[in-house]
Amino acid sequence: GESVGLHLPTLSVQEGDNSIINCAYSNSASDYFIWYKQESGKGPQFIIDIRSNMDKRQGQRVTVLLNKTVKHLSLQIAATQPGDSAVYFCAETNQAGTALIFGKGTTLSVSS
Amino acid sequence: KAGVTQTPRYLIKTRGQQVTLSCSPISGHRSVSWYQQTPGQGLQFLFEYFSETQRNKGNFPGRFSGRQFSNSRSEMNVSTLELGDSALYLCASSSLEGGGETQYFGPGTRLLVL
Repeated sequence: GESVGLHLPTLSVQEGDNSIINCAYSNSASDYFIWYKQESGKGPQFIIDIRSNMDKRQGQRVTVLLNKTVKHLSLQIAATQPGDSAVYFCAETNQAGTALIFGKGTTLSVSS
Repeated sequence: KAGVTQTPRYLIKTRGQQVTLSCSPISGHRSVSWYQQTPGQGLQFLFEYFSETQRNKGNFPGRFSGRQFSNSRSEMNVSTLELGDSALYLCASSSLEGGGETQYFGPGTRLLVL
């Protein structure tokens, strides 16, 4: 079936460290992946996306890597700041392309 | 552009009642999706509308329904509320017709069923 999961429910880092959040997906037919950040009391906020014809995409302080061979997605955050503390979700589109399938989320805690 | 807005932000209902939640998408966005978020089940897809037509539906009972108006605003309705319907209900909008595009979320409506 279609499912997206994250490897670790929590990740704790020091301010200034680089963070890596991982996600495994099961549907090899998925062709669009998104990372969202959700802060307490807010809706998910778009961070970065990647299509299946790409291996890597960079944004401001964030990089998403896609390994289709092992169906693995990762989000790298450079120089992590306390404001990056949140729950991070990976999501993939279903085959119809009209719904997002979310993983369970990784809570990132950044201490200063 | 203004973001996705949802009303009300908080709601308390009792079992057996019904509730209607409203969502206004980003201006120009024609696709609206609804999700339910709970601590146990995470974020789960409810349904998606485009140009007033439901294109996709998640695995929820028929008590959950929705509709979209000609101005792309959407409502979802839950009838005969159960305790397990307590959740954060999120609406997301996207711009393109074909799907597989970025969805932008509103702040959600937090529903508590007593």
